[in-house]
Amino acid sequence: DAKTTQPTSMDCAEGRAANLPCNHSTISGNEYVYWYRQIHSQGPQYIIHGLKNNETNEMASLIITEDRKSSTLILPHATLRDTAVYYCIVRVPNAGNNRKLIWGLGTSLAVNP
Amino acid sequence: NAGVTQTPKFRILKIGQSMTLQCTQDMNHNYMYWYRQDPGMGLKLIYYSVGAGITDKGEVPNGYNVSRSTTEDFPLRLELAAPSQTSVYFCASSSLDSGANVLTFGAGSRLTVL
Repeated sequence: DAKTTQPTSMDCAEGRAANLPCNHSTISGNEYVYWYRQIHSQGPQYIIHGLKNNETNEMASLIITEDRKSSTLILPHATLRDTAVYYCIVRVPNAGNNRKLIWGLGTSLAVNP
Repeated sequence: NAGVTQTPKFRILKIGQSMTLQCTQDMNHNYMYWYRQDPGMGLKLIYYSVGAGITDKGEVPNGYNVSRSTTEDFPLRLELAAPSQTSVYFCASSSLDSGANVLTFGAGSRLTVL
């Protein structure tokens, strides 16, 4: 599986866009990029995933570079409730391989008033 | 639709005691997982199941057992609790229909072994 690299921590002002980068330079052609977040002490929450095209849902947008070696999760108008640890994970979407899902330390995002 | 429900939320055990963490999901998901998360660390997979009657070890299975007699339930058994098992435990499920790596997590069970 491709490894991911994320900054340890980031800050964002409330109401501004939060842009969380993820580097996955060894990603293979059939691996998807998944983003989850974990608000303090709660279970992780799925945010979004994509293969090569940019994706948007009600929570966030995912921008994947053309070479697919990096991606950015965008929270367009961050609120205090978006303060959380954000995990970027690269996987081939196969449930049998979920046993190998590696959860790193993610990026701790602090949204400040 | 409650999603993934874990009980208990908190538990304190003495060394050598045993207990079962309960996990149930009402989404008819085939796949279920147990993770543990130590303070300041990422999640580590303990056991997983791809369907009723089928279970397999994850990254850190020692000291735990699981069973999957129904699609809905996936209990995690701790035998002879040790301080090293002090952690937060998360149960999760996923469905191939919604995307095999789109996991739905429970709220967690915080276990302390003294």
